[in-house]
Amino acid sequence: AQTVTQSQPEMSVQEAETVTLSCTYDTSESDYYLFWYKQPPSRQMILVIRQEAYKQQNATENRFSVNFQKAAKSFSLKISDSQLGDAAMYFCAFPSYNQGGKLIFGQGTELSVKP
Amino acid sequence: DGGITQSPKYLFRKEGQNVTLSCEQNLNHDAMYWYRQDPGQGLRLIYYSQIVNDFQKGDIAEGYSVSREKKESFPLTVTSAQKNPTAFYLCASSTRGNQPQHFGDGTRLSIL
Repeated sequence: AQTVTQSQPEMSVQEAETVTLSCTYDTSESDYYLFWYKQPPSRQMILVIRQEAYKQQNATENRFSVNFQKAAKSFSLKISDSQLGDAAMYFCAFPSYNQGGKLIFGQGTELSVKP
Repeated sequence: DGGITQSPKYLFRKEGQNVTLSCEQNLNHDAMYWYRQDPGQGLRLIYYSQIVNDFQKGDIAEGYSVSREKKESFPLTVTSAQKNPTAFYLCASSTRGNQPQHFGDGTRLSIL
């Protein structure tokens, strides 16, 4: 079965500090994509960063970076220099190999940023 | 700007009534999806479509119906058979099944 597990329901970080959100997944595929989405209070789902499994280099998008460990099936998100606008629910996800590539989501991690 | 437009933002359904949620995209994406989000849960797939005039059931299709008559449009009807329709509904699209999905702003459906 294809699954995504986010073991941290809630996380908190001080403004300007760094925080890491954890994600583990399970798939039998060898080539796949992994995504982190952000859902702020407005409920819009925003793509934060993507990683292609065949690429060994970890993806980076400005203050957001990932630590991708393919053998361990781990895909954590690091947010550097945290800002108040980073407060949101964060979902780890990957496309299923069936059902038209539906996204399989974790349960989410709610991140709060303290000023 | 290209994107996905969902309407209305809020919708109320009376007992026994069918309601339709609109989803339009101008991204020229082939694949479109409908997800349901309940509090404390992740997103669950209702229906998806990979090409015009074709669509498939997702994990929780009972009580819902869709159509895909145009590439740009993928409306979702919540029928009276859906006994617990109160949720947040998100429409998404992508170029291919394994590419990132772009989401609309969602529709919140409640029961009157």
